[in-house]
Amino acid sequence: AQSVSQHNHHVILSEAASLELGCNYSYGGTVNLFWYVQYPGQHLQLLLKYFSGDPLVKGIKGFEAEFIKSKFSFNLRKPSVQWSDTAEYFCAVNGGGGFKTIFGAGTRLFVKA
Amino acid sequence: DTGVSQNPRHKITKRGQNVTFRCDPISEHNRLYWYRQTLGQGPEFLTYFQNEAQLEKSRLLSDRFSAERPKGSFSTLEIQRTEQGDSAMYLCASTRRGGDSNTGELFFGEGSRLTVL
Repeated sequence: AQSVSQHNHHVILSEAASLELGCNYSYGGTVNLFWYVQYPGQHLQLLLKYFSGDPLVKGIKGFEAEFIKSKFSFNLRKPSVQWSDTAEYFCAVNGGGGFKTIFGAGTRLFVKA
Repeated sequence: DTGVSQNPRHKITKRGQNVTFRCDPISEHNRLYWYRQTLGQGPEFLTYFQNEAQLEKSRLLSDRFSAERPKGSFSTLEIQRTEQGDSAMYLCASTRRGGDSNTGELFFGEGSRLTVL
């Protein structure tokens, strides 16, 4: 069955600390991979996506993610977090046709000022 | 605002009542999705439409749930005989088929929060 696993449910960091959120997926065939973010009081929005090409993708606000096919992973990174990065982050995957997207349970990040 | 619009934003109802949620997608988007999200979980897929055709339904969608998209524009999600376990945030998302949208990037609405007493 298709699934997405996020390693941490809650992460607390101080400003300027580095961030890495783990994501592993189980999906046969070609995949498109996403990280979505939900800031407090706002709707879910796309942070970055991978569908082909360079496995290191860059998104908004200095975030990046690396697709490692052999490990079925798509970890999210940011070298230096800011208080404004406090949000919930969701890893997601769909098949090559882009029909049904499956989400992980989410990681709630709190950045201390 | 030309984003995905959902209403009502909040609905409180008594067990056994019927509720209906509406979603207006981004106008040029031909795919529309419904998800359900409960506390501490990610969005769970319920169903999706391509234009007016409902192409897939999750096993989560019991026979008390029905969704329509009659003219390929807005969509409704109805829950009949609500149960306390139906309490959740119901999310609508849309995407455009073709081009970059073959990746299935989703554009979400604010959600409709249902509380069943």
